[in-house]
Amino acid sequence: LVLTQSPATLSLSPGDRATLSCRASESVTTYVAWYQQKPGQAPRLLIYDVSNRATGIPARFSGGGSGTDFTLTISSLEPEDFAVYYCQQRGNWPPDFTFGPGTKVDIK
Amino acid sequence: EVRLVESGGGLVQPGGSLRLSCAASGFTFSTSWMSWVRQGPGNGLEWVANIKEDGSQKYYVDSVKGRFTISRDNPKNSLFLQMNRLRVEDTAVYFCVRERTESFHEFWNGQYVHAGYHFYGMDVWGQGTTVTVAS
Repeated sequence: LVLTQSPATLSLSPGDRATLSCRASESVTTYVAWYQQKPGQAPRLLIYDVSNRATGIPARFSGGGSGTDFTLTISSLEPEDFAVYYCQQRGNWPPDFTFGPGTKVDIK
Repeated sequence: EVRLVESGGGLVQPGGSLRLSCAASGFTFSTSWMSWVRQGPGNGLEWVANIKEDGSQKYYVDSVKGRFTISRDNPKNSLFLQMNRLRVEDTAVYFCVRERTESFHEFWNGQYVHAGYHFYGMDVWGQGTTVTVAS
């Protein structure tokens, strides 16, 4: 399984809407998650099960999709949202994991 | 406070060994699947291995099979990664991670049997420990 994320870099301004794509090389389970990582920090869970926000994650973050195509949407970028975002898929069995290469959201 | 603290990283020559440790606190370690995830310099995230709550099942990414061993000590709330025959390409920050999972059952042949684990994300991460493999 290969996860492809696009675009590699997204240059936007605060207040803009960000749409990040994650495409799987084959149909995957619903165990799709998204993580945010800032420089020098560990990743943080944003979304699990395709569309469920993790505890404490603001409502401006939303996830969707099915089959092979998934999206993370940030409805209105806040200054703290500029970071790298990774999608992840977990197999049914064995319960192994694949990460996408990441999308960097930077300030335009 | 839920916390994971890694230790044991360092500089090692190709072919050498290193043992990483992760101390867990603030949650019931013995009921959690745990993973190691690594990130090479300037690179993305790569899942390395995971282990079931009781240590009875372990899974690895192909590139480390036969070289790395994941283990745990539940009474001591600790996770380990024994890394042998290290390669330059194993250079990375290694994160200890909790998998949030829930066991589920299905009705089969007149009874409920364990059918797997729902996955709700890698919800707790340590800060990472750096492993550098170089001569």
